[in-house]
Amino acid sequence: RKEVEQDPGPFNVPEGATVAFNCTYSNSASQSFFWYRQDCRKEPKLLMSVYSSGNEDGRFTAQLNRASQYISLLIRDSKLSDSATYLCVVPRTPPGTYKYIFGTGTRLKVLA
Amino acid sequence: SAVISQKPSRDICQRGTSLTIQCQVDSQVTMMFWYRQQPGQSLTLIATANQGSEATYESGFVIDKFPISRPNLTFSTLTVSNMSPEDSSIYLCSVAGAGDYEQYFGPGTRLTVT
Repeated sequence: RKEVEQDPGPFNVPEGATVAFNCTYSNSASQSFFWYRQDCRKEPKLLMSVYSSGNEDGRFTAQLNRASQYISLLIRDSKLSDSATYLCVVPRTPPGTYKYIFGTGTRLKVLA
Repeated sequence: SAVISQKPSRDICQRGTSLTIQCQVDSQVTMMFWYRQQPGQSLTLIATANQGSEATYESGFVIDKFPISRPNLTFSTLTVSNMSPEDSSIYLCSVAGAGDYEQYFGPGTRLTVT
């Protein structure tokens, strides 16, 4: 299994739809996880942090399944502005390291 | 979060030359990192910039090719030396605070080597 793996997509969804992405990771000792959003030709921007079982912020929900070693990102009521690449990030162990391992990203296109 | 700027934002360089990229933060930060994002790829960590000491490089990256300076807690530079077309990438700096695993990225420097 790769250290961090994502479905590259693209996910094409209509406005208003609910979409979910999964990200699997290989190191069972990983404690924290992040989702970043990257727009075309821009830098990644932190979307959500996941330190326990999950996190919710408005239309966005991140969930962690430690037993199966994956995190998911759920976007409800998709907007055109949600179109971007979503990067799953897992800090490299041991705990305390700041070194990030990035997934290859999942591309989302929200269609009018 | 901190405001991070990078200079230059883009450049086109000839092979064999070197380019120094600057990263400036508007507040003191504990950790600074340099990443590379090649076309169509995700981000790869080049090195951790250590204040007052040599940078810590990741596997596949060496100081002779990517010398890094960090003279204080708000500024770092990355030099891409003896460039080849394979160095064409976006180079990004990121920062994190003490005890804070969340990283924030600068706007990136888009480098094209001809």
